[in-house]
Parts: sequence; structure tokens; C-alpha cells
Amino acid sequence: EPEVTQTPSHQVTQMGQEVILRCVPISNHLYFYWYRQILGQKVEFLVSFYNNEISEKSEIFDDQFSVERPDGSNFTLKIRSTKLEDSAMYFCASSESQGAQPQHFGDGTRLSIL
Amino acid sequence: AQTVTQSQPEMSVQEAETVTLSCTYDTSESDYYLFWYKQPPSRQMILVIRQEAYKQQNATENRFSVNFQKAAKSFSLKISDSQLGDAAMYFCAYNLMNRDDKIIFGKGTRLHILP
Repeated sequence: EPEVTQTPSHQVTQMGQEVILRCVPISNHLYFYWYRQILGQKVEFLVSFYNNEISEKSEIFDDQFSVERPDGSNFTLKIRSTKLEDSAMYFCASSESQGAQPQHFGDGTRLSIL
Repeated sequence: AQTVTQSQPEMSVQEAETVTLSCTYDTSESDYYLFWYKQPPSRQMILVIRQEAYKQQNATENRFSVNFQKAAKSFSLKISDSQLGDAAMYFCAYNLMNRDDKIIFGKGTRLHILP
């Protein structure tokens, strides 16, 4: 069964540095998402992406965050200048369509900011 | 406000027994999807079961079934004949039908299976 894959599985970065988290969505999916889960807390929506543009974003997704689909397969989340509170598990998800079809999640990338 | 509440942070069940995980949610909308996702130690979030709010019949998937009470905004998950592989964090969630992209998650219930 096709899967959403995320790399790396664990990223350790110094505070203030830029970090890029990578995701390869399922190939025939058109909608892409990023969520994060701070340790011990609920999974929170960050952003959704469709047709090469952001379709919805949460208040967490401020100017430090950006997303990109640089080619036909990858979907990236960039954090420009990381803060300690960015430490979390970041999940990528994809779906065939909006709402009607379920979102398929990747394994997540654990981001640790030192 | 759109929220999902899972009141049981942790639960334990004996192998082969039945367990019910509770979930309540709050929305003013009438059309939405409800989900239970499973997150085992391997970390991948796996969709266990999905319910369309307009359907009165409770969804079932093999040993997994839900008790959907729309008026009470309740969506519990029943796992029958619990197996060791069912041990995981279970998240209740929903999203609006054909509108919002985002899934709203609860905080999760960690389920332990006792051999």
C-alpha cells in the first residue's frame, strides 16, 4: 500500500538555524498538509497546500514557516529561524481530495531545537 | 470553538477483552467526518475508522466499531477481542465535510494491552 514518507526521522538543530523537513506524499494525491505535535499535547494543524498554493493555515503558521512543492514529488516545510518552542513531532499528510477522502499520515519527523 | 475531548489519558485492557474509548466533540456544523486514528510506537498515524455525520448507522471495521451519538456529540470507539498489536495512542478527530482542510484532534488515549 502506498505510504507518505518523511525525512529525516529525527532532526537536531541549534536555535536560530533554519531547518527543512521533507515529505513525499502519495503519488496521486493532490492535497498536502503539515501538522505538529508538541510532546504530551494534541496534534495541531499547521497548513494545507493545493494547486501550488496554501489553501489554509493556522495561527501557529507564522512568517517563520513556509511550505513548498519544489518538484513533482516532494513537499517541504521550512522553519526560517528556529525557536526552542518549535521542538515537536511534525507530521506530513496527503489526500486525494478535500474532506471526502481521508488524510494519510507519514511517520513524522522529530525536531529537537537546542 | 471546534474542540475534541478525550477524557481518558490512559486505559488498560486484558488481551481478548473489549474496551471502549470515549470521545466528545463540539461543533456548530451539521456535516462533518469523525475519525479514530491509531499511533503505535512505530509512530505512523493509521486511520482506524471513519464515520460520516449524516449516516445514522455506526461504522464498523472488523474488531473496531463506533457508537456515534450525534445529538450528544459523542463518538466512542469499541475494540473487541483486544490484541497485543492494538497497544497504541488513539486519537479521536473530525473535519468539516468538503470545507475545512484541517483535522481537529483530541489529546489522545494511550491504550495498554495486558497479556
